[in-house]
Amino acid sequence: DIQMTQSPSSLSASVGDRVTITCQASQDISNYLNWYQQKPGKAPKLLIYDASNLETGVPSRFSGSGSGTDFTFTISSLQPEDIATYYCQQYDNLPRTFGPGTKVDIK
Amino acid sequence: EVQLVESGGGLVQPGGSLRLSCAASGFTFSSYEMNWVRQAPGKGLEWVSYISSSGSTIYYADSVKGRFTISRDNAKNSLYLQMNSLRAEDTAVYYCARDNLVGATLDYWGQGTLVTVSS
Repeated sequence: DIQMTQSPSSLSASVGDRVTITCQASQDISNYLNWYQQKPGKAPKLLIYDASNLETGVPSRFSGSGSGTDFTFTISSLQPEDIATYYCQQYDNLPRTFGPGTKVDIK
Repeated sequence: EVQLVESGGGLVQPGGSLRLSCAASGFTFSSYEMNWVRQAPGKGLEWVSYISSSGSTIYYADSVKGRFTISRDNAKNSLYLQMNSLRAEDTAVYYCARDNLVGATLDYWGQGTLVTVSS
């Protein structure tokens, strides 16, 4: 199975700050990587697909980059409604695997 | 509007069975591949199973293979997960999720249904 790691596991930032999360795959997954946002008590929501494509309706402050084994997710200006846990997920190989998540809150 | 509504969760004893359902609306269900994903309390996300649009191709995570069966009824716009020989470690919120048409990306998720396996 492809193992996904994320760092940091949690972070605290101020409103307006730039926030960056990294995700690393245990082997080359090309750009077969998605990013999801999960707010407490809610289902995950797709934000970024194919590593860098913004899902329709998602604010442009969210972005993703990377390919191969190393990926980055960025919130350019953190907003209060961005409090959530963020997961990366690969779909290059079965089983699809998720990273352990990064919990983001407001300082 | 795309909607996925899960049902069928509840409390079951170890070794017992449960059948989850997911009712789909707002899109042409028969054209989309579907999945089940679960999340144990306080834990991360785990993909459980996949079924193609026609139902002819099915995959499972090793953790549920031989115990869980995914199926669908395109006439009823419904997805199912039959769970047998349940274990404490199967306790989780179970989400049904749709794959988008381009690739294996989970673009819509239901609200989830909680399965608790405990004596």
